[in-house]
Amino acid sequence: ETGVTQSPTHLIKTRGQQVTLRCSSQSGHNTVSWYQQALGQGPQFIFQYYREEENGRGNFPPRFSGLQFPNYSSELNVNALELDDSALYLCASSLQGGSYGYTFGSGTRLTVV
Amino acid sequence: AQRVTQPEKLLSVFKGAPVELKCNYSYSGSPELFWYVQYSRQRLQLLLRHISRESIKGFTADLNKGETSFHLKKPFAQEEDSAMYYCALSGLAAGNKLTFGGGTRVLVKP
Repeated sequence: ETGVTQSPTHLIKTRGQQVTLRCSSQSGHNTVSWYQQALGQGPQFIFQYYREEENGRGNFPPRFSGLQFPNYSSELNVNALELDDSALYLCASSLQGGSYGYTFGSGTRLTVV
Repeated sequence: AQRVTQPEKLLSVFKGAPVELKCNYSYSGSPELFWYVQYSRQRLQLLLRHISRESIKGFTADLNKGETSFHLKKPFAQEEDSAMYYCALSGLAAGNKLTFGGGTRVLVKP
């Protein structure tokens, strides 16, 4: 059984650029969620995908978008990067419902300069 | 809207002493509560969930719906318990998304 893997681990981008982060879910999990964790804060929910469709979104602007693929892997895309987008981006996978908990990846550290 | 509050940013205790991490929540409906832990240089991992009523690594947490709390307790802290702890909430009314508290850093001194 494999866990959740995210790539890349670190990334530096310039303000205004676009970025794509990737996530492979744990084997057997069909739901992927993305979180943003700013320094010193708890993770904040961005959105969730189930069966390739977004089925929940947090308080993030439309320039944050995502995809889920048939193999349940997922991408997070952020357009027009701002300095405040600098954070650790976490991906978590679960069975639908999440009652058994979510398995998190190690995250992608994004720095916007 | 759901919310999770962890009032303590830092808890410092001596080895062998009891430790209690407070977590209060607001939620309309039947919540699912979790505690997640992040050890140094490791990923966030599930510690325990209220529906299983289990004890993991000596930690327990009881859901108190009257006080809307889900405090995490351990009677005898160990140095390896030093980590960041996050309380989190989920549920159907929240679209099964996880809402996290701000986290409590636990430091267990020898």
